[in-house]
Amino acid sequence: AQRVTQPEKLLSVFKGAPVELKCNYSYSGSPELFWYVQYSRQRLQLLLRHISRESIKGFTADLNKGETSFHLKKPFAQEEDSAMYYCALSGTGNQFYFGTGTSLTVIP
Amino acid sequence: GEEVAQTPKHLVRGEGQKAKLYCAPIKGHSYVFWYQQVLKNEFKFLISFQNENVFDETGMPKERFSAKCLPNSPCSLEIQATKLEDSAVYFCASSQVAPINSPLHFGNGTRLTVT
Repeated sequence: AQRVTQPEKLLSVFKGAPVELKCNYSYSGSPELFWYVQYSRQRLQLLLRHISRESIKGFTADLNKGETSFHLKKPFAQEEDSAMYYCALSGTGNQFYFGTGTSLTVIP
Repeated sequence: GEEVAQTPKHLVRGEGQKAKLYCAPIKGHSYVFWYQQVLKNEFKFLISFQNENVFDETGMPKERFSAKCLPNSPCSLEIQATKLEDSAVYFCASSQVAPINSPLHFGNGTRLTVT
């Protein structure tokens, strides 16, 4: 069963434009949601997690339990934001599942 | 170490041969996860360990895949009789405590090519 869905495989925005990467999840219980990022030639790394409710590199994500969504947003995209973004879910049984990823390209 | 170390970086095997991949988690991390990524697509969960105990193996194709995390040794993922569709990048990740409370730290992956 697909637990994490990222509907957009590719997303291109112009520098300075707002960006939103969509993530929907399916899980019975109270999952913890994360966004991971992989910059070119780097390891996959944690960008932010719902529980800490912080903004990292200008990105924020709000957990909407009614819509089962955890979309990643940034008001003004920068060229250095170009990367592969993965939404992830951790369940109460310590499982950890990733979405299929969205490749973000910020056009100068 | 401070980073998850995966070896080898690249592995080429003929169809039917055995492949063995290694992962050294960050020292002090109790949880280890293995993922398979085919053609830069989704990270398919394979198996997780809490210390040397299998925690969740629901993603493992059990007939050919096996994995271990023994004390004082790198964790390993072994594929008996590889098939063409096993060609993928295999990622290992570790976390200090349960991943719901601690981020996963990823290795650079091992690229397996089955010819």
